[in-house]
Amino acid sequence: ENVLTQSPGTLSVSPGERATLSCRASQSVRYSYLAWYQQRPGQAPRLLIYGASNRAPGVPDRFSGSGSGTDFTLTISRLEPEDFAVYYCKQYVTSPITFGQGTRLEIK
Amino acid sequence: EVQLVESGGGLVQPGGSLRLSCAASGFTFSDYWMNWVRQAPGKGLEWVANIKQDGSEKNYVESVKGRFTVSRDNTKNSLFLEMNSLRVEDTAIYFCARDTPPKSSTWSSSLYWGPGTLVTVSS
Repeated sequence: ENVLTQSPGTLSVSPGERATLSCRASQSVRYSYLAWYQQRPGQAPRLLIYGASNRAPGVPDRFSGSGSGTDFTLTISRLEPEDFAVYYCKQYVTSPITFGQGTRLEIK
Repeated sequence: EVQLVESGGGLVQPGGSLRLSCAASGFTFSDYWMNWVRQAPGKGLEWVANIKQDGSEKNYVESVKGRFTVSRDNTKNSLFLEMNSLRVEDTAIYFCARDTPPKSSTWSSSLYWGPGTLVTVSS
């Protein structure tokens, strides 16, 4: 199983600032089959990034993804109030598909 | 408009069974891999199972192997999760999710999700 470890567990940032979230895999994620999801309370997850760096339709360009191999990053360049949520990474190349444990982004 | 709507959740005793359904609309259901993902109360996301477009390939997380069965009916645009020998730790919201590209031979990210259905396993 490819274990994904996200850091930090909780990130406190002020609106308008930049947030950087990390996802580290225990095994290389081939083809960069790594996605990022946002989940707000009481809602289903929302796809933000797929293939490590490709924005999903309708996702603002303040969201960007990077990385390869075992280290991946989600960056939110200028935080808006609606961005404060929980973020999950997910690898979808090896079975079982696995999610990271999540990073909670909170208002500072 | 793509829609996924889960149903079938509820309260069940440990050792019991439940069958979840996911009704799909707004796209050609038979073109896509489909997934079940769950979330225990206050916890993170856990992928449970997926099924290929024609139902010929199914994959499961280790903790549900032998107890859960994923299936689909492409004539009725429906996805199912048969859950047997339920345990307290299976308590969660269960989401169905559609893989993104059509007619893919590999898995992908999930652009579309249903709102989820709550399964509670308790005596």
